[in-house]
Amino acid sequence: GAVVSQHPSRVICKSGTSVKIECRSLDFQATTMFWYRQFPKQSLMLMATSNEGSKATYEQGVEKDKFLINHASLTLSTLTVTSAHPEDSSFYICSARTVDQPQHFGDGTRLSIL
Amino acid sequence: DAKTTQPPSMDCAEGRAANLPCNHSTISGNEYVYWYRQIHSQGPQYIIHGLKNNETNEMASLIITEDRKSSTLILPHATLRDTAVYYCIVSSGGSNYKLTFGKGTLLTVNP
Repeated sequence: GAVVSQHPSRVICKSGTSVKIECRSLDFQATTMFWYRQFPKQSLMLMATSNEGSKATYEQGVEKDKFLINHASLTLSTLTVTSAHPEDSSFYICSARTVDQPQHFGDGTRLSIL
Repeated sequence: DAKTTQPPSMDCAEGRAANLPCNHSTISGNEYVYWYRQIHSQGPQYIIHGLKNNETNEMASLIITEDRKSSTLILPHATLRDTAVYYCIVSSGGSNYKLTFGKGTLLTVNP
């Protein structure tokens, strides 16, 4: 089946640093990739949608200058949390899909900002 | 996208069938019903989806009522590893479709 790989699985870093998370579709070409955030005991919240070679579309309330998304190829998207602060600590999950196929999710990245 | 309603929690005995209901009374004609599950601290796992007809795959069966206002996900022989939060999501399935996650149903499979 479709496999989406996310790296790293866990990050702990100091406040003020920037963190990059990678999302790869391993066995299919992803026309669209999505980034979600999940706080403890809450459901997934969509942050942004990105199509290969295009600028990402951010959901309302998500700062595009804070959460930089790059979707440079059909198999790779990256999310960079810039100048991260403790309130950015969360579980970040990516998903990918190709036309007429359902979204498949990565295993998530647990980000902890000290 | 149409909203869905699911019970917050359900229990099932190991080896028995788990039937998870979902109401989506405002579903549009071009919207699909998707089911995902999330095991603790992992990303959601795709289970199955359908438009009008009942669907079956190696994981589960999806029964959609004729008026499409509700559906049931059936895990035929639940195991302890099926304990998870199950999400029923309605989406158009178009080129830029989105999945809007609700609170889902926490299914606990008991030994």
